[in-house]
Amino acid sequence: QSVLTQPPSASGTPGQRVTISCFGSRPNIGSNFVYWYQLLPGTAPKLLIYRNDQRPSGVPARFSGSKSGTSASLAISGLRSEDEADYCCAAWDDSLRGLVFGPGTKVTVL
Amino acid sequence: QITLKESGPTLVKPTETLTLTCTFSGFSLTTSGVGVGWIRQPPGKALEWLALIYWDDDKRYNSSLSSRLIITKDTSKNQVVLTMTNMEPVDTGTYYCAHLLWLGVPGWFDPWGQGTLVTVPS
Repeated sequence: QSVLTQPPSASGTPGQRVTISCFGSRPNIGSNFVYWYQLLPGTAPKLLIYRNDQRPSGVPARFSGSKSGTSASLAISGLRSEDEADYCCAAWDDSLRGLVFGPGTKVTVL
Repeated sequence: QITLKESGPTLVKPTETLTLTCTFSGFSLTTSGVGVGWIRQPPGKALEWLALIYWDDDKRYNSSLSSRLIITKDTSKNQVVLTMTNMEPVDTGTYYCAHLLWLGVPGWFDPWGQGTLVTVPS
């Protein structure tokens, strides 16, 4: 069972906005930065968001992150077919003294 | 450009020890603030952080697996090695290594290697 929780699935039609939530607690999201990764079968996980809301170079502005208290969100606006993937959140946990990941949310483009 | 690549056996028998090697380029593990970590993903399950080694040889382990893990580095070869003892079928999964920067606090893993699938038959 993951320390961070996420809904198992989310979906939208092309062009829509989809939001994925990540719920944690004080030792992890409540005290540390949140990171978001895109997971595609057979490929290396791709960093989408670091430090809660920062985008690495090359990541489209359609992807945005936010954090409030012990929860965080990833929003994908202008949904595209190539966005169909799993998305997982991560944060360092001060109690466990390590990095914890959410279980991932599968985004389907209808 | 930073790249990492995992290598090791694809099949490990129960009770055996797994040894994985991460060979990287584009950075040095002698540079202050640099780290390399290992993360795995069992089929259909979440990512799980395993271990992390820093430029100064500081090592961190997942507390639930620490008794089975050892992480080491060979800076002359640009390699990080992870050993996991007493392998079980539940240890089946894709194992990744990734680059990390220490920025006063642990940073983020980026980029990652392509991963290597390890199977432990039941």
